[in-house]
Order: sequence, then structure tokens, then C-alpha cells
Amino acid sequence: QQPVQSPQAVILREGEDAVINCSSSKALYSVHWYRQKHGEAPVFLMILLKGGEQKGHDKISASFNEKKQQSSLYLTASQLSYSGTYFCGTVNAYGQNFVFGPGTRLSVLP
Amino acid sequence: NAGVTQTPKFRVLKTGQSMTLLCAQDMNHEYMYWYRQDPGMGLRLIHYSVGEGTTAKGEVPDGYNVSRLKKQNFLLGLESAAPSQTSVYFCASSVGLAGLYEQYFGPGTRLTVT
Repeated sequence: QQPVQSPQAVILREGEDAVINCSSSKALYSVHWYRQKHGEAPVFLMILLKGGEQKGHDKISASFNEKKQQSSLYLTASQLSYSGTYFCGTVNAYGQNFVFGPGTRLSVLP
Repeated sequence: NAGVTQTPKFRVLKTGQSMTLLCAQDMNHEYMYWYRQDPGMGLRLIHYSVGEGTTAKGEVPDGYNVSRLKKQNFLLGLESAAPSQTSVYFCASSVGLAGLYEQYFGPGTRLTVT
């Protein structure tokens, strides 16, 4: 039931863009995105609900395709501070069973 | 507001020893969670609580027990520690169900079982 994330890891130069994908084999009610910096706790970025709109947070935005059970996180003009591991979390169509994905490690180099 | 705090930050146990991890939140949240984080596996839910006096099993509950005697506190116990329980443990809380609301995480406890 754990969602699949791709890629597992990505290395960028400052100013470049990145896309992180999250997919599930089950119908979803919502997708959540968190970022965790090394040695720190995960921090909430955004929730995307079924039937909702694409969300944005500074230069980080996300979309949710309910039919494909997929979500994508878009990082535009990446900054050094974007480095960390990004986790998606999914909730099934009944609004239950929140499960985190395995994470995508993003490294932004100067 | 301190948010979510965890005690202790680090602990080393020998196989068979027991210990209790304490999580406290000052946001008056109903829901609280215990996760473990292992390399390459993300965060896996151990147990959770939907309110004072209630607890439920998560994805990986074996070997752990929990209690929520007060709304602000959620305790995680290991009765007989095993090397497989070496991990980083995170506590989290949310105002409502995790599927609808953001979770606030504590700083984590790094546990090593030798």
C-alpha cells in the first residue's frame, strides 16, 4: 500500500527545476507532501484533496491526478535550501490509512 | 509554543532491556502518532491515538505498546528491545485525522539496540 516515489534521488544545480512523482495502485482521497532536512523532523508542505486545485507554496507547487492516482511536486528555480528528502503521503478513497512513501532525496548544489 | 517535544533525544539499549519514549504536545491536538524511520523505507506508523484514553495499531505495531493517559502526552514503550528496533522514532500530532490535516512532528529520538 506504500506509494511509489520517483526518482529515488536527484541532484540539481541552483536555479534548475525538478519534478518528484508519487503514485499509488489504489484510489486516493488526498496526497500530502513533506520535506525533511538531514537530521531534522519532517515539515509539512501541502495537502492536495480529491477534486481540489493545484497548490503552490513559494516556488514549490504540486498537482494531483485522481484518475491516475498520481501526484507531482514541482520545484522551480531551486535554491540551496530546497535540499532534503521529500516524502509524499497518501490516503485511500475512504479517507483512511495514511501512508508515507519511501522518499526522494534532493540535493541542490551551488 | 514548544509544539511537539520528545524525550530522550538519544538512547542506547541492550537486547532485552525496556524503555519508554515520551511525546508531549501543547497544541491541544486530538490525534497523536508514533512513527519509526529506517533508511530507504520512509516513515512507518507504529501506533496512533484519536484522543485521550484511546490507541490503535498502525502498520508496524509488533514489539511496541502505547498509552495516552493525558491528551497532551503519548508514550511509546518497548518491553524487550531487539536490534531490529534500532531506528529513529518520530512523534507527531494533528488537529484532526491525518488524511485531512497536516501533522506536526517532534525532533525525533535515535534509538540503538545492541
